[in-house]
Amino acid sequence: AQKVTQAQTEISVVEKEDVTLDCVYETRDTTYYLFWYKQPPSGELVFLIRRNSFDEQNEISGRYSWNFQKSTSSFNFTITASQVVDSAVYFCALKAGTASKLTFGTGTRLQVTL
Amino acid sequence: DVKVTQSSRYLVKRTGEKVFLECVQDMDHENMFWYRQDPGLGLRLIYFSYDVKMKEKGDIPEGYSVSREKKERFSLILESASTNQTSMYLCASSLTGSVQPQHFGDGTRLSIL
Repeated sequence: AQKVTQAQTEISVVEKEDVTLDCVYETRDTTYYLFWYKQPPSGELVFLIRRNSFDEQNEISGRYSWNFQKSTSSFNFTITASQVVDSAVYFCALKAGTASKLTFGTGTRLQVTL
Repeated sequence: DVKVTQSSRYLVKRTGEKVFLECVQDMDHENMFWYRQDPGLGLRLIYFSYDVKMKEKGDIPEGYSVSREKKERFSLILESASTNQTSMYLCASSLTGSVQPQHFGDGTRLSIL
C-alpha cells in the first residue's frame, strides 16, 4: 500500500522568509511518481511538479525548488523569499507502479504574512 | 490548457435527497476521478473511471455511485444524502499512464442539512 505523510499541518512565515514543506512517502514499487499540488483559497488544485523514482536530480523553478532523496523517502519543497501569493494548502502525492490513482498527503497550509 | 468544469461551486441539499454532482473535461482524457476533501484528511478517492461506462471503487465508495456515459462527463451520485457527506468534492481528469498528472476542477462545496 502507498502512503504519503505531510507532518506539518500549518506553517506561518513572514514575507521574504524561506520555507520548506516536508513530504515523506512509502511504497514497495520501484517505479513511482511524486507530485506537488498547490490549492489556493479559490479551491482548484494546481499541478506544480512531477518527479519519477529514477531521477533524483533536484529541480529549481524560479523561487521554487524540490529536493528528492530516495534514501530517506522524502520529496521536500522549498519556497525561497516567500510572498503573500504563496499562501495556500500544498499537497504532496504519489503514484506507484502502473496505477493512475494518486495517494495524497493530508496537506500543509502555508500562511505568508506581511 | 486542460479545463475541468464542475457544475456547481456551492450546493445545499437535505438529508435523504438524491444528489448529482457533474464534471466535464475538455481534453479527451481517458481517466476521470472523484475525491472528497475534509480537514485533516486530505483528498480521498471515491471512484474513478478509466473509460466510458467503466468505473472502479476508490478508498471510500460507500454511499456514492458514479456514471460515465460519455468520455468527457463523469457524474457523482449520492443516492440518499446524509450529513456526513457534507464536504468539498473535487473532480479530476488525466491521460492514461502513471506519469500523467491529474488536472482538477474548482471543487463543489456540498452541505447536507
